[in-house]
Amino acid sequence: AQSVTQPDIHITVSEGASLELRCNYSYGATPYLFWYVQSPGQGLQLLLKYFSGDTLVQGIKGFEAEFKRSQSSFNLRKPSVHWSDAAEYFCAVAAKAAGNKLTFGGGTRVLVKP
Amino acid sequence: KAGVTQTPRYLIKTRGQQVTLSCSPISGHRSVSWYQQTPGQGLQFLFEYFSETQRNKGNFPGRFSGRQFSNSRSEMNVSTLELGDSALYLCASSSDRGPSTDTQYFGPGTRLTVL
Repeated sequence: AQSVTQPDIHITVSEGASLELRCNYSYGATPYLFWYVQSPGQGLQLLLKYFSGDTLVQGIKGFEAEFKRSQSSFNLRKPSVHWSDAAEYFCAVAAKAAGNKLTFGGGTRVLVKP
Repeated sequence: KAGVTQTPRYLIKTRGQQVTLSCSPISGHRSVSWYQQTPGQGLQFLFEYFSETQRNKGNFPGRFSGRQFSNSRSEMNVSTLELGDSALYLCASSSDRGPSTDTQYFGPGTRLTVL
């Protein structure tokens, strides 16, 4: 069974600084990978996804993620954080040919200091 | 296109009662999945429906059930509510045009509180 680990529960960054959120997955083959963001009291918004092809994926709101098969990682990055990026971020994995069942990591809460 | 809608947004029930939550997917989407989000267990997959058939099921007791209608709208039901069922219940839809796993778009959720 697949699993996802987000090692950092909380991260605090200053506005304008760079951000990197870590995600490691466990799965026997190349999975489908996703990053979602959740603002307080809201549902999940898709930031980006990786299915195949170029391992550097661009998403919305200036986010990007890099798939590294050798490290089983799919880390999310943003060069310059805005106060509105304060939220909880979830990495998720889906197994191919297994329907739309997402397995989520525990999430990383990002706080942005002025 | 309108996004995924869920009703009601908030619900308060007492132990032992049952509850039905509703989800309307994005127009044209045929797959609807349900997730439970709690502070302790995080986001957990409940089940997925596609063309009115349950295609995937998570590890939840039989008190949790669902169905999908011919217009792709879905409902989930929880019978004999327990305190631990208090959670945010999220619905997600996808077009499922292939590959078999497609991008899921989430609704705002229904916040269920069991007293």
